[in-house]
This record gives sequence, C-alpha cells and structure tokens, in this order.
Amino acid sequence: DQQVKQNSPSLSVQEGRISILNCDYTNSMFDYFLWYKKYPAEGPTFLISISSIKDKNEDGRFTVFLNKSAKHLSLHIVPSQPGDSAVYFCAARIGGSARQLTFGSGTQLTVLP
Amino acid sequence: EAGVVQSPRYKIIEKKQPVAFWCNPISGHNTLYWYLQNLGQGPELLIRYENEEAVDDSQLPKDRFSAERLKGVDSTLKIQPAELGDSAVYLCASSPDSGTDTQYFGPGTRLTVL
Repeated sequence: DQQVKQNSPSLSVQEGRISILNCDYTNSMFDYFLWYKKYPAEGPTFLISISSIKDKNEDGRFTVFLNKSAKHLSLHIVPSQPGDSAVYFCAARIGGSARQLTFGSGTQLTVLP
Repeated sequence: EAGVVQSPRYKIIEKKQPVAFWCNPISGHNTLYWYLQNLGQGPELLIRYENEEAVDDSQLPKDRFSAERLKGVDSTLKIQPAELGDSAVYLCASSPDSGTDTQYFGPGTRLTVL
C-alpha cells in the first residue's frame, strides 16, 4: 500500500518553461512534506519542504504547493534548466513519529535544451 | 563540510555470500539511517539510530540483516547470507539532533547478487 504516490514516472519539459511535478498521499496523519532531487550515482539531496500549516513555500526557482483537502502537493520549477534534469522524490512525515519519512517512487524530469 | 561517506560504492557477490556496507555520517549528526532503494522505487527505511541506539528497526529483516553503530558515529550494515532479491542500492543518511526532518544522503552502495 503506497502512502505516497508519484504517478508520473517521467516528464519532459523545454528549457525555460515550467516543470510541474505531482505527488499524492493517502495518510491524513502526514504533517510535513519534502522534495528531494537525485542525480545518477548520487544520493538524494534535499530541495525544499513544506509544513501542513502552509499551502505554499518558495525558494528561488522552486515552489511547493500543498492542497490538504485533496491530499496533493506539487513542485513547480520556473524557469526549468537542463541542470534540473534528475529524479525527483516526494517524501512525507507522520506527525510525532520523529523523522520517519515515506518516499514516493520518483519522477524522472528531463529538461530539453 | 564533508558529506555522508559510504563504501564500497559497488559490490558484486554470489548468493549465499556475506556482504557489509560502511557509512560515516556528517560530523555532529547524531541520527543515522539505512535505506534500501529498489530500481524504480523510492528509498525505504531499514533502521534508524539515535547515537548508538537503534530506535526503529521494524523494517529490518533480522533473519539475515544486521547493523551496528558502535560509539555512535560510523555504522555498518551486514547481510548474511545474501539472496538474489537483495540486489538494490543501500543508502545511508544522517540528520542533526535539532529536530529537523531534513536528511542528508550518501551516494549509496549498489549491490548486485548473482
């Protein structure tokens, strides 16, 4: 039973355009969400996070939106750059469970020059 | 600041052989995690340490997997005996003690069991 789902295994976007990566979750106990980026042969690196008390968090070109009623979050990258090509993982934490993260299966983003 | 260090980066063994992975976390990070990542999947937690204490090992297959974190710094994950289905990437991560949920990952060890 996947509690965090990334239904799009891959996404291709033209350089300079917006990339939108989506993530759905089923467990209403999740209260904190993170996005990680992973390049080949490297470990995932933290990108951006959002608490369930917010609906938006922005950091430079990266913005995460949270829709709690729909149990949905999305990562927007504007403008997309070729260096953004990587696998993006959505992760979620259950409140009070002290740092246990549940990861989605990832979305491969390819930014075409 | 040095990141999480893991070795070896790649390991190929025959089934039924033992194998061990080593991890050195970021200096000062008291929490250490071992994850398993199968192809096309996200990382799945195997075990979490707070200092030298394993505080969450519910997902660790204890019949063949073991882990230790002596002195609360570096850690070793062992599989004995390895099975074909153990082929995966084994990731180590660490986080500081301040309550942050941000985990810092090492590059992983890719295990192939033949």
